[in-house]
Amino acid sequence: DVKVTQSSRYLVKRTGEKVFLECVQDMDHENMFWYRQDPGLGLRLIYFSYDVKMKEKGDIPEGYSVSREKKERFSLILESASTNQTSMYLCASRNAGTGDTEAFFGQGTRLTVV
Amino acid sequence: QKEVEQNSGPLSVPEGAIASLNCTYSDRGSQSFFWYRQYSGKSPELIMSIYSNGDKEDGRFTAQLNKASQYVSLLIRDSQPSDSATYLCAVNPIWDNTDKLIFGTGTRLQVFP
Repeated sequence: DVKVTQSSRYLVKRTGEKVFLECVQDMDHENMFWYRQDPGLGLRLIYFSYDVKMKEKGDIPEGYSVSREKKERFSLILESASTNQTSMYLCASRNAGTGDTEAFFGQGTRLTVV
Repeated sequence: QKEVEQNSGPLSVPEGAIASLNCTYSDRGSQSFFWYRQYSGKSPELIMSIYSNGDKEDGRFTAQLNKASQYVSLLIRDSQPSDSATYLCAVNPIWDNTDKLIFGTGTRLQVFP
């Protein structure tokens, strides 16, 4: 059974804190993604990684950074959390190359910044 | 223009009816198209994928792709209350040569008894 696991289901952090969201996949996928989901806005891509130590900005990278030191792990970092980063964060992984493979999602992390 | 567009709904259909969900995309060279279902508070799960023009059927679900019109749809036959969810259309655009998926904002489906 394929699996993408996010480290926390719910998080509450204070404004200005540095926040780490962790994601691990066990499918040996090259690609990993971080999306945030807000009502009426759908899933918006923050960053993605196509290989270890490789990353590319998505549509809304401001205020975020990422780290991929190992193939199975992709971390999203909020350098200084702000209230407008309160959201549902979804990690996904996907195989590379052919384009005709699905993305698998983690269970999501609901982050509240107070 | 957004890369992937969906009507946000809600689309309300009676139990047993056909629900028709639509999606348009802007990158004419896109090759891969996906429909995900997302229940409230849960993560998206794949329902159907389609890569060639025409119809693809899987049980009560049929995906339809028309690349000339840049249009992909999902039909749900014999709709059940358990089908009530948000349906997300996703496209793998070809213009930037990556494997990222771009999602629409989703259509909320309500099936009433």
